[in-house]
Amino acid sequence: GAVVSQHPSRVICKSGTSVKIECRSLDFQATTMFWYRQFPKQSLMLMATSNEGSKATYEQGVEKDKFLINHASLTLSTLTVTSAHPEDSSFYICSARDFLRTEAFFGQGTRLTVV
Amino acid sequence: QKEVEQNSGPLSVPEGAIASLNCTYSDRGSQSFFWYRQYSGKSPELIMFIYSNGDKEDGRFTAQLNKASQYVSLLIRDSQPSDSATYLCALNQAGTALIFGKGTTLSVSS
Repeated sequence: GAVVSQHPSRVICKSGTSVKIECRSLDFQATTMFWYRQFPKQSLMLMATSNEGSKATYEQGVEKDKFLINHASLTLSTLTVTSAHPEDSSFYICSARDFLRTEAFFGQGTRLTVV
Repeated sequence: QKEVEQNSGPLSVPEGAIASLNCTYSDRGSQSFFWYRQYSGKSPELIMFIYSNGDKEDGRFTAQLNKASQYVSLLIRDSQPSDSATYLCALNQAGTALIFGKGTTLSVSS
């Protein structure tokens, strides 16, 4: 399968600060990337979909000004959590797909803790 | 509202047995169906996907799809303790994001 690298794997930040999470497709060109959030004992909830060179499409209830997504190249997408608060603490997972495949591949996830 | 329903479990099976995991969905327009395995604190790993009615086998895993009944299942033969994890059912339409169920926790005892 294809490799998707997500960084950092774990981050602790102070309330009010911003955190950037990177998602890279290492051996394929990711025309579409997806960002999910997972709270403990819950399923993955889609936050947004981004296509390279376009603005991200956010799911209902997800604040686009708080969760900034940039997909500037075919191998890199970033999620910036701005003015983080403790309720933003969660497991954030990116997923990437190229136009040839049906399946999407996941990054390792980022455990964000806001204190 | 697209919904993917899974029994949360836990499903407990002895080592060597067959584990059967089930999933139902509401959107008849769904085209592709996926099974992922997720260990605690880790990201999901793709097990297999299916988009045609019937069975699809890959090693110890068999996915079964019945679009008329809106039902997809995963059979794990010769279950091992290392198979203990949460199994996520997911689906999508062409080009769209995956929609996930809440997952079924499988526990394989040795």
